[in-house]
Parts: sequence; structure tokens; C-alpha cells
Amino acid sequence: QKEVEQDPGPLSVPEGAIVSLNCTYSNSAFQYFMWYRQYSRKGPELLMYTYSSGNKEDGRFTAQVDKSSKYISLFIRDSQPSDSATYLCAMKNTGRRALTFGSGTRLQVQP
Amino acid sequence: GAVVSQHPSWVICKSGTSVKIECRSLDFQATTMFWYRQFPKQSLMLMATSNEGSKATYEQGVEKDKFLINHASLTLSTLTVTSAHPEDSSFYICSAPGGDTDTQYFGPGTRLTVL
Repeated sequence: QKEVEQDPGPLSVPEGAIVSLNCTYSNSAFQYFMWYRQYSRKGPELLMYTYSSGNKEDGRFTAQVDKSSKYISLFIRDSQPSDSATYLCAMKNTGRRALTFGSGTRLQVQP
Repeated sequence: GAVVSQHPSWVICKSGTSVKIECRSLDFQATTMFWYRQFPKQSLMLMATSNEGSKATYEQGVEKDKFLINHASLTLSTLTVTSAHPEDSSFYICSAPGGDTDTQYFGPGTRLTVL
């Protein structure tokens, strides 16, 4: 079993839709949670970072963490064609600086 | 935000040759950098942790004699793929921790194609 599970998609939605992306994890030592966006053949770009259970909002993006269920989500409101990319969840525990990534979900927003 | 650059962005080489990839933190210092490899439609797999002034730490299954890492300064780490073979063809990405050390900033990646 992988430490971090993420549905690879692809997920196709119409422009303006609300998108929900999710990851589950098994390692209870993970304390820090990140979402990255990666366009094709580019490096990942940090979108959201959080370390506590609950919601964190930044513009059209909301990150949600439920440590009791070992489940994290990223919501994208009013999705745009420019949001079409692969979204990677990433996590780390205290004392280890490297990140553990999910497999990534490929999102396509249709105009 | 912090900026990390990589050079080259794309390299094609013949089997058996060595290729060097540079990773630089442009506006901050990084005593630690990470090297990842990503195959098509797959996630990032950590290869090694590069430490300024000391030896790199390699993940299980990564050949340290094949993937040479040198952290020459607080802003530069290099990955050399020695005696490259077609199966080494991949997307190599480096990252460096941000100021709060809990996030990482990634370079744009280097696409290596070994013929």
C-alpha cells in the first residue's frame, strides 16, 4: 500500500465548475500538507500549504485537511481552462525534509 | 516566492556518455536540495538529498555511483548521470526548502533523453 493515494484521473469538467481533488494517506506522522500544480513538462508550483486540520482559503482555492480521517482535499471554484494541469498532493512529517507525493490527478477544464 | 532554476532544460545524449544538470536557488540560500525523477504520467520519486558541505543521501534503490551529486555552494547543486543509458531517460527535477523549511520550491525540470 502506498503511503499517499491519489486518483490519477483524468478529471474533465466544464469551465466554471467546482473541482474537488482528494488524497488519502496512511502515515499518521504526516503533519504538513501541500498541493502543487504541474503543467506539462514543467516543475511543480506550490499552490497551498497547511499544517492543521480544517480549511484554508486562497482566492479560488480551498485546502481542507482532516487528520482524523487521514484525508485532504483541494477545491477549485470557478474553474478555468488555464487550471488544466496535474495536481499533486504532497506531505511531510516533522524531522524529515523530503516530501512524499501522491501520484497526481490530471484535470481538464473544458471551455 | 523563492525561485529555483535548472540548466539545461532539455538534453539529448548518446548512450554511455555523462550528463550534468545544475540546480540553483536564485534569491535564497539552500543548505539542502532534493533531486527527483519523474517518468511520464507518474509522480515525483525522490532520488537523493543534496547537502552543502557533505555527502548526499540517496534513497533506497538509487545508485550513488551512477547519479553523482555535488552541492558546491549554498546556491548550487549538480546531478551528474554517469554512463547514461536509455532507461535513464526521464524528467529530473530539483527542489529547495523555502524559508519556513516546511515547503519546497521546485525548479522547472530537465528532460533527459538518452539515445
